[in-house]
Amino acid sequence: GDSVTQMEGPVTLSEEAFLTINCTYTATGYPSLFWYVQYPGEGLQLLLKATKADDKGSNKGFEATYRKETTSFHLEKGSVQVSDSAVYFCALRNNYGQNFVFGPGTRLSVLP
Amino acid sequence: EPEVTQTPSHQVTQMGQEVILRCVPISNHLYFYWYRQILGQKVEFLVSFYNNEISEKSEIFDDQFSVERPDGSNFTLKIRSTKLEDSAMYFCASSEERARRSGELFFGEGSRLTVL
Repeated sequence: GDSVTQMEGPVTLSEEAFLTINCTYTATGYPSLFWYVQYPGEGLQLLLKATKADDKGSNKGFEATYRKETTSFHLEKGSVQVSDSAVYFCALRNNYGQNFVFGPGTRLSVLP
Repeated sequence: EPEVTQTPSHQVTQMGQEVILRCVPISNHLYFYWYRQILGQKVEFLVSFYNNEISEKSEIFDDQFSVERPDGSNFTLKIRSTKLEDSAMYFCASSEERARRSGELFFGEGSRLTVL
């Protein structure tokens, strides 16, 4: 079945550091790919998405590029802030099903 | 901005008791979902619901679980006889459409269930 793998956390960075959170997927067909973020005590919010190969999703300084050749959707940000501390979930949605498949999440802590 | 709302935010119950978790999806959405997240673990799909019936469910969603849309706004998850391993955060989500795979899910803030 479809699956999503993420780098294990926690990831701890200093403010203004560069962030990469790796995400790879296994799926049949052509899934859409998503990054969701969960701030402490809150639900999951869509951060960005990409629906086809080579698309780049971006939001709030974060970006991720849909790489079909490497089945990856790595999340990057050039300069993280303390307010970016959260858990980040990579997810896919395939064209034959309704539900999302989530990765295990990566906890990011940004220190001032 | 429209949002998915869930109640209660936290419920503590004794093992074997029935629990009902409530959700109000975004008003023009047609597809509804329940997910759960056991503490520190991945977000797991439970069930999806469309046109007043279950359209897809996972292996987790066994006979002790049921969902219902009792009126035009609420979407409920019932656990008939809770077990310790049902302790988790339960997220409701809704989606405007199914056919397009790019449609995103909108999540509520979750209901934390603690079974003692």
